[in-house]
Amino acid sequence: NAGVMQNPRHLVRRRGQEARLRCSPMKGHSHVYWYRQLPEEGLKFMVYLQKENIIDESGMPKERFSAEFPKEGPSILRIQQVVRGDSAAYFCASSLSGLSTDTQYFGPGTRLTVL
Amino acid sequence: DQQVKQNSPSLSVQEGRISILNCDYTNSMFDYFLWYKKYPAEGPTFLISISSIKDKNEDGRFTVFLNKSAKHLSLHIVPSQPGDSAVYFCAARKRVGSSNTGKLIFGQGTTLQVKP
Repeated sequence: NAGVMQNPRHLVRRRGQEARLRCSPMKGHSHVYWYRQLPEEGLKFMVYLQKENIIDESGMPKERFSAEFPKEGPSILRIQQVVRGDSAAYFCASSLSGLSTDTQYFGPGTRLTVL
Repeated sequence: DQQVKQNSPSLSVQEGRISILNCDYTNSMFDYFLWYKKYPAEGPTFLISISSIKDKNEDGRFTVFLNKSAKHLSLHIVPSQPGDSAVYFCAARKRVGSSNTGKLIFGQGTTLQVKP
């Protein structure tokens, strides 16, 4: 049973370009969470999605960031017009349900570097 | 506003001894707590969790203790092994309901080094 898959593992972009990060949840999981880890910090929640719905985007920056989880295919975190401050590790997690006691399983992350 | 705090950035322990990692929280609405282990260049790996209705949960070498009155939890690893060397994150979650969606709030992490 494959775990959470993320690609690419490493992504380099120049300022002003777009970054697309993909996440395939564990088989059978329909709940996806995105977190960001800045250097020397813990993980910070960004957005929570179920299939075709954004449930909680309270951690998303108001501009340039968007996320989707279509009926078919992976979840996508999109960052438009990247800036150096967007350089971070972006982790996706999935869970079977949205219950309080349901464990979130993490992918290996995408390390974004903005030049 | 750091709702989950791990005040020790690092901890060094001898192989075979006990490792104790600490975590404090401020929000009394948290009702579920988790510990994750993270190696460099990898994603966090789930270790153990505890519900607020319990004060202890044990899984092999790992035990988590919860002191709700002190808003404090700790992870004990006995005996510690060199392979346990990693960054350990404490995370908390509010009860899922109309205003809470189950997102995890993480501490800053503690780097554990277990010396052979």
